[in-house]
Amino acid sequence: EDQVTQSPEALRLQEGESSSLNCSYTVSGLRGLFWYRQDPGKGPEFLFTLYSAGEEKEKERLKATLTKKESFLHITAPKPEDSATYLCAVRRTTGKLIFGQGTTLQVKP
Amino acid sequence: GAGVSQSPRYKVAKRGQDVALRCDPISGHVSLFWYQQALGQGPEFLTYFQNEAQLDKSGLPSDRFFAERPEGSVSTLKIQRTQQEDSAVYLCASSSPTRDRVKSPLHFGNGTRLTVT
Repeated sequence: EDQVTQSPEALRLQEGESSSLNCSYTVSGLRGLFWYRQDPGKGPEFLFTLYSAGEEKEKERLKATLTKKESFLHITAPKPEDSATYLCAVRRTTGKLIFGQGTTLQVKP
Repeated sequence: GAGVSQSPRYKVAKRGQDVALRCDPISGHVSLFWYQQALGQGPEFLTYFQNEAQLDKSGLPSDRFFAERPEGSVSTLKIQRTQQEDSAVYLCASSSPTRDRVKSPLHFGNGTRLTVT
């Protein structure tokens, strides 16, 4: 059965304290791994898509990496405005996304 | 419009009432998805349209849930005889046509928060 597991469920960091979020997955027919950011009361906002093991993508303080079984979202020197829930999702050949439960990040000044 | 638009933003229904939730996708997007998100959880897939064709409705939790997209643009998710367990945020997403539709990211609206009392 397709499954996406994110850890930790919650993460509290001091401003400037770098860390990583994990997304492990089991899915047949993977057609990409997606990272989204979700702010309270808003819909998920697209960040990255990764397609093959070894691939990396960067955007400002965020870098996403992919292996055959997991993906990491590295946050370098985070700021309070990076506080949000980060969602990982995998896409099957049918096109639909299967989401993990998310990691809620809080960055304190 | 600039993004996916959903209405209403909030809906309170008494148990047993029918509700209809509307989604306006980004213009030109052929694929449209509905998701249900419970508090503190990730979105759960409900159904998927390509143009007006409903290609996957495997995530609809019961026959009280019905979705349509008659002209391949605006979509409506209808829930009949609402129950308390239907309380959630209902998200709509669309994706742009590319050579490989499967690779296109989904762009989400801000959702409709449904509360059943």
